[in-house]
Amino acid sequence: DIQMTQSPSTLSASVGDRVTITCRASQSISSWLAWFQQKPGKAPKLLIYKASSLESGVPSRFSGSGSGTEFTLTISSLQPDDFATYYCQQYNSFWTFGQGTKVEIK
Amino acid sequence: QVQLVESGGGEVQPGRSLRLSCVVSGFTFSSYAMHWVRQAPGKGLEWVAVISYDGSNKYYVDSVKGRFTISRDNSKNTLYLEMNSLRAEDTAVYYCARDSLQLGGYLDYWGQGTLVTVSS
Repeated sequence: DIQMTQSPSTLSASVGDRVTITCRASQSISSWLAWFQQKPGKAPKLLIYKASSLESGVPSRFSGSGSGTEFTLTISSLQPDDFATYYCQQYNSFWTFGQGTKVEIK
Repeated sequence: QVQLVESGGGEVQPGRSLRLSCVVSGFTFSSYAMHWVRQAPGKGLEWVAVISYDGSNKYYVDSVKGRFTISRDNSKNTLYLEMNSLRAEDTAVYYCARDSLQLGGYLDYWGQGTLVTVSS
């Protein structure tokens, strides 16, 4: 089974900050990685697929990069609406989520 | 627009059964694989099961194999999850989600979730 590990688990940041979240796979998943945003009491929302493709309607301040086993999600300038929990998910072999990264207000 | 609406959640005793449903609209249901994903209270997301676009392939996370069954009725635009021998650790919000492909893609649309509580 492929394990996904995100870091950090919690991140404190201010509006306007550049934020980077890392996701590591236990084996190569090529570029078969998605990123989701989830707010309390809501369903996850797809942000990025195939490691770096921006889902339609998602602001361009979100970007993804990486391949193989190491991936990053970057928010170029954090906005008030971006405080949430973020999950990576591999879909190379079945489907596995990372444990999540909570982005908090500093 | 694409909509997925889950139902069937509730409180059930350990060892009992429950069937969840997910009715979809806004896309051709029979062209896409469908998933169930769960989230225990205060915890992260866990993929549970997937069914291919035509129902011919089904896969499960190890913790539910032999207890849960995923199925679909393409004539009714409905996805199901039959849950038997429920345990306390199955307590979670259960989401249905659409696969971007007939099978093997990313999850692009999600329902709002239905809460299952397993408690005596």
